[in-house]
Amino acid sequence: DGGITQSPKYLFRKEGQNVTLSCEQNLNHDAMYWYRQDPGQGLRLIYYSQIVNDFQKGDIAEGYSVSREKKESFPLTVTSAQKNPTAFYLCASNQQGLGGYTFGSGTRLTVV
Amino acid sequence: AQSVTQLGSHVSVSEGALVLLRCNYSSSVPPYLFWYVQYPNQGLQLLLKYTTGATLVKGINGFEAEFKKSETSFHLTKPSAHMSDAAEYFCAVSDRGGSQGNLIFGKGTKLSVKP
Repeated sequence: DGGITQSPKYLFRKEGQNVTLSCEQNLNHDAMYWYRQDPGQGLRLIYYSQIVNDFQKGDIAEGYSVSREKKESFPLTVTSAQKNPTAFYLCASNQQGLGGYTFGSGTRLTVV
Repeated sequence: AQSVTQLGSHVSVSEGALVLLRCNYSSSVPPYLFWYVQYPNQGLQLLLKYTTGATLVKGINGFEAEFKKSETSFHLTKPSAHMSDAAEYFCAVSDRGGSQGNLIFGKGTKLSVKP
């Protein structure tokens, strides 16, 4: 079955470390997205990519970086510059013209 | 710019009662509108969407929503709540109208269902 796979499901980071969250899709979707979710704040867009080798900053890109070297993959790196990284991170994809996103099951990142 | 407002961050109903979750949107172009459901520690799942055509949209799990342009609303309803409906619900609108834009999400409404 086609879908989006996020890994790991739970991730612990020490202060000052960079960590990378994986997002892979086999839906052949062009666009991919990263959202951060905090209680009571809904979903906030971090980065998005509408085509391979191109990506744009969302509303809260500071302290994060991404790459889109392959259509199927859109990894997110949480850098040490992100001062409050503890959150639930969601990856999504979309085929332009169809409307609506398909979401992964999320990665919960905790700073220890 | 497009935006979404969900009225009520938390709604509580009794099992068997009507579920009504409110969503109002702002859009300068004809909107595409969506409702998603999220269970704890999971991703979002599409419940239903309005694109064009019939304004009453039926989705999964017995939910439906009606697009009312004059009221800029897209409220989600279900006639009879089940315990399994307890989750968080998000309304979203496309930020450039139609199917080409990114989705703008509301802050979510957490639905509790009492036995």
